[in-house]
Amino acid sequence: NAGVTQTPKFRVLKTGQSMTLLCAQDMNHEYMYWYRQDPGMGLRLIHYSVGEGTTAKGEVPDGYNVSRLKKQNFLLGLESAAPSQTSVYFCASSYSLNGPYEQYFGPGTRLTVT
Amino acid sequence: ELKVEQNPLFLSMQEGKNYTIYCNYSTTSDRLYWYRQDPGKSLESLFVLLSNGAVKQEGRLMASLDTKARLSTLHITAAVHDLSATYFCAVFTPLTGANSKLTFGKGITLSVRP
Repeated sequence: NAGVTQTPKFRVLKTGQSMTLLCAQDMNHEYMYWYRQDPGMGLRLIHYSVGEGTTAKGEVPDGYNVSRLKKQNFLLGLESAAPSQTSVYFCASSYSLNGPYEQYFGPGTRLTVT
Repeated sequence: ELKVEQNPLFLSMQEGKNYTIYCNYSTTSDRLYWYRQDPGKSLESLFVLLSNGAVKQEGRLMASLDTKARLSTLHITAAVHDLSATYFCAVFTPLTGANSKLTFGKGITLSVRP
């Protein structure tokens, strides 16, 4: 099993450009999450999904959109990138949070917006 | 709103000595997770603590949860260089319906010196 994978690993964008980050998991997990990690801030939840076709806002959703068209994939979109979105983005998945199940994290995407 | 505090934020440890780090949270929760992150890497699950009084041990690390005090501790026995990393605690918050989330602390960076 590959677990949770993310594409791309690195990306540099100019202000105003758009991009999509792809997360894929092969563990048949229902729940998927997108976080951003900034120095000294820990991880902050951007959006999450509790199943195929569902999405919900997390703590810091502004400037991002998500889609979960297939159970195994969770896409994070930046429509018009801003320097404040420079961060490391992590995708995670879990079987459920209403149980003992922890979240499994992908390797991360390092995004720089100039 | 749930706040998760970790302290200290940075700890320089001497090889062979014992240390304890702390995770405090502000509202009721009966579930807490510890993760480890090596520099430039993803997060790895260490412990899942599911109830008051829960204690888990893995090698030189032992985690415990006191839900009444809203406190989790991570005890390090005889620190070794391999334990140098950033350690995050995350507290489970049930939301409405089937939704729920983890709130992460800012992390504690441990550095073990000879």
